Amino acid sequence: NAGVTQTPKFRVLKTGQSMTLLCAQDMNHEYMYWYRQDPGMGLRLIHYSVGEGTTAKGEVPDGYNVSRLKKQNFLLGLESAAPSQTSVYFCASSSAKRLTGELFFGEGSRLTVL
Amino acid sequence: AQSVAQPEDQVNVAEGNPLTVKCTYSVSGNPYLFWYVQYPNRGLQFLLKYITGDNLVKGSYGFEAEFNKSQTSFHLKKPSALVSDSALYFCAVRDEANDYKLSFGAGTTVTVRA
Repeated sequence: NAGVTQTPKFRVLKTGQSMTLLCAQDMNHEYMYWYRQDPGMGLRLIHYSVGEGTTAKGEVPDGYNVSRLKKQNFLLGLESAAPSQTSVYFCASSSAKRLTGELFFGEGSRLTVL
Repeated sequence: AQSVAQPEDQVNVAEGNPLTVKCTYSVSGNPYLFWYVQYPNRGLQFLLKYITGDNLVKGSYGFEAEFNKSQTSFHLKKPSALVSDSALYFCAVRDEANDYKLSFGAGTTVTVRA
């Protein structure tokens, strides 16, 4: 009963390095999201996807790219990491068409950029 | 634009006492309102939601919330708090005209002392 799985859980990068966070869900959900969580700021939406092959920008998309090649996977990429991207990243998914349903979250990926 | 405010960064209560976590919202249409809880080093878990109907909503772990349209509030309540309720609580809102994006408050840390 995995739900939403994020890998890796922890990562330390140097400024300018690149990396990809992987999110996988086994609930056949259409909608997937990437959020970042910073102290005192709650969760902010980075990018989201409403189905396989589609992506859209959220509130804070700069410096990130995403891809949804398969329905169950949603990848978040950092092409050139910056210290401002130090954060905890959460992936979430949801099935309800009108989104009256709740989001299911992964356990988070803690990223530190030095 | 939609937004959520959680006016208290921290709430401290004694075990067995009532617990209230405040939330106010702003939307242009009808709101869909949610409460989530986050335990240390974990992802967010859904507690309850208000979509339509009865203003008093009951959720997981004995929590309930009251929707008040005139005061644009959706306060979370529990009649008798437990030490295990100590966690970070997030209120979230979605505007019915804004299908995909869920906006979160900054979070309220609840500490229940024995």
